[in-house]
Order: sequence, then C-alpha cells, then structure tokens
Amino acid sequence: QSVLTQPPSASGTPGQRVAISCSGGSSNIGGNPVSWYQQLPGTAPKLLIYSDNQRPSGVPDRFSGSKSGTSASLAISGLQSEDEADYYCAAWNDYLNGWVFGGGTKLTVL
Amino acid sequence: QVTLRESGPALVKPTQTLTLTCTFSGFSLSTREMCVNWIRQPPGKALEWLAVIDWDDDKYYRTSLRTRLTISKDTSKNQVVLTMTNMDPVDTATYYCARSTGFVAARRYFDSWGQGTLVTVSS
Repeated sequence: QSVLTQPPSASGTPGQRVAISCSGGSSNIGGNPVSWYQQLPGTAPKLLIYSDNQRPSGVPDRFSGSKSGTSASLAISGLQSEDEADYYCAAWNDYLNGWVFGGGTKLTVL
Repeated sequence: QVTLRESGPALVKPTQTLTLTCTFSGFSLSTREMCVNWIRQPPGKALEWLAVIDWDDDKYYRTSLRTRLTISKDTSKNQVVLTMTNMDPVDTATYYCARSTGFVAARRYFDSWGQGTLVTVSS
C-alpha cells in the first residue's frame, strides 16, 4: 500500500478535461513540493510537473498541477489519445527521510 | 543532453546479492546539487524509491530496505552502483536510475530517467 493515495483509474473522451488526485499527509505533501510523472506503456517514467505546478520545457500547457493542504491534483485538458498512460505523484517524506510515490492512476482515453 | 543507462544481471537466484550499475552522461556527480537515485517497479505495480547519493556523498535509503541496500559512486567513471543483498522473488522488478538536483532533498524531483533494467529473482 502506497503512502500517497491515487485513484487506480481515470478516463475521458478526446477533448475533455480530467483530473487525477493524490492524497497524502503533513509529512509529505503537506510540507513538501509534489512532482508528477507520466509513464507511457512499456517506457520509463517522464517528469511532467515539479514543485507542485511547474512544467519542464517541452511539456504541453494542457498539463497543470495544483496543491491544497495535504492533497495535490494533476489536470489534463484537451485530452488526446497519446495521453493514455499511467500517472504517478511523488513527494519527499520527512518522517521516512525518503521519497514516496502514489500507487499510480491508469488513464484511459475512450 | 543528460542520459542514464542501467546495467546488471537479468536473472539472480534467491539469497544472492544484486549489483546494478548506472552509467550517466551530460552531468557530473562532483558538481554541486547533482544526485542519482535508484527506483524500482515490480511488474504491473507502482514505482518505489530505493536510494539516493548526492555530490557530497550523502546517502539516503528506503527505510524498509536499509539493511539490504548500499549505494556508491565512482565520479571518475560517471557511475553509481547499487547493491542489494539477500534477493527474494518479491524483488523482481524493473530497476531505474534517475537524476535529481538541488541542495534541499525535499525540493528535488526526478528530471531524467534511464530506460530501466528488468531483474528477475528465481531459482
């Protein structure tokens, strides 16, 4: 069982907006920045969002991140078929002195 | 351009020690703020962070695996090595190395990843 909680699945149709939640506690999300990773089938994860809401260069602005208290959220607008992937949130955990990941959310584009 | 590549055995027997090497380019681990992490992913399961080593040779380990893990670096070769003792079938996973940067551990993130190497533990 992961320290950070994500819904196992999410879905949407092309063009829609979907949001994926990530819930934690005061020792991780509540006190430290959140990052998000996209893992396309059969490939390594790729950084999507860092420091709660910052996009690396090359990541489309359709992807956005937000955080409130001990929960974070990844939103994808204008959903495209190539967005079908697994998405993971991550944060540093002060009690464990290490990184924790969410259980991952499988996004399906219908 | 930052690249990382994992190498090591594809198959290990239970109780054996696993040694994985991450060979990287595009940065140096002698440069301040640079770090290399090991992260694994069992088949069909979530990512699991294992260990990190930074430019100053500071190391952090996953609490539950601390007694089995050792991370080290060879700055001259641009390599980071992870050893995991007493391997078990539950350790079957794809093992990734990934770079992170920054002075403060809590503010870092994994900005570049290797392609991963699948390690199967079986007799």
